[in-house]
Amino acid sequence: QVQLQESGPGLVKPSETLSLTCAVSGYSISSGYYWGWIRQPPGKGLEWIGSIYHSGSTYYNPSLKSRVTISVDTSKNQFSLKLSSVTAADTAVYYCARRRGSDPIYYFDYWGQGTLVTVSS
Amino acid sequence: SSELTQDPAVSVALGQTVRITCQGDSLRSYYASWYQQKPGQAPVLVIYGKNNRPSGIPDRFSGSSSGNTASLTITGAQAEDEADYYCNSRDSSGNHLNYVFGTGTKVTVL
Repeated sequence: QVQLQESGPGLVKPSETLSLTCAVSGYSISSGYYWGWIRQPPGKGLEWIGSIYHSGSTYYNPSLKSRVTISVDTSKNQFSLKLSSVTAADTAVYYCARRRGSDPIYYFDYWGQGTLVTVSS
Repeated sequence: SSELTQDPAVSVALGQTVRITCQGDSLRSYYASWYQQKPGQAPVLVIYGKNNRPSGIPDRFSGSSSGNTASLTITGAQAEDEADYYCNSRDSSGNHLNYVFGTGTKVTVL
C-alpha cells in the first residue's frame, strides 16, 4: 500500500521560507510517476502547487512559480517543497500526492494526510 | 490558466440521486478526476478517466463527460456521502503541464 507522509514546521514567520518534506513508502519514487504538492487554505478549495518527476523535471503553478522549488531525493524516497517569501495568504493545509496517468487521463491517486502550516509572527 | 467551475452546494434526499457538474475549457481536452473530502480529512479519489473507480469506491459513484462539462453522479446517496467534492484536470492553456482544481461542491444528504 502506497503511503505518503508530510513533515515540517507548523509555524513559519512572514517573509521566511516554508519547507516541507513528503516521505513515500510502499512505492519507489525512482520507478516512475509524478509527485505533487497541493494546498488548501482554511475553509477554501484545493490549489495545485507543482509536480516533480523522479528525474527532477518540475512543473509549477504559474501563480506561485517565482517562489516555489520542488526537489526529489530518490535515495531517501522523498520529495520536498520550498515556498519563499511567505505571507499570511500562504497559511494552508499542504498535501503531497502521487500523480498518475497519460493523455487525456490524469489523476492524483494517493494523498498524504496533510499538514497545517500557519504563517504568523 | 484554465478555470473549473462547480456549483457551491447541492442537497439530496437519502437514497436519491444527485449530479455534480464541473465546467471548464480544459475538459474539452482532458478528462476530469473527482475527489471526495470529508471535514478534517485528505481528499480521496472517487472517479477518474471516462468512468473509472479506484478499488474500494462504491459503484453508486459514476462519472460522465460531454463537451466542456464533466459530471459526478451519486446514485442512491448515503449519509456517508456527505462531503465536499472537487473536480480536477490538466490545464489546457499554456504549456499543458499544469493542473487546476474546481471550486468545489458541498453535498448535503438530507
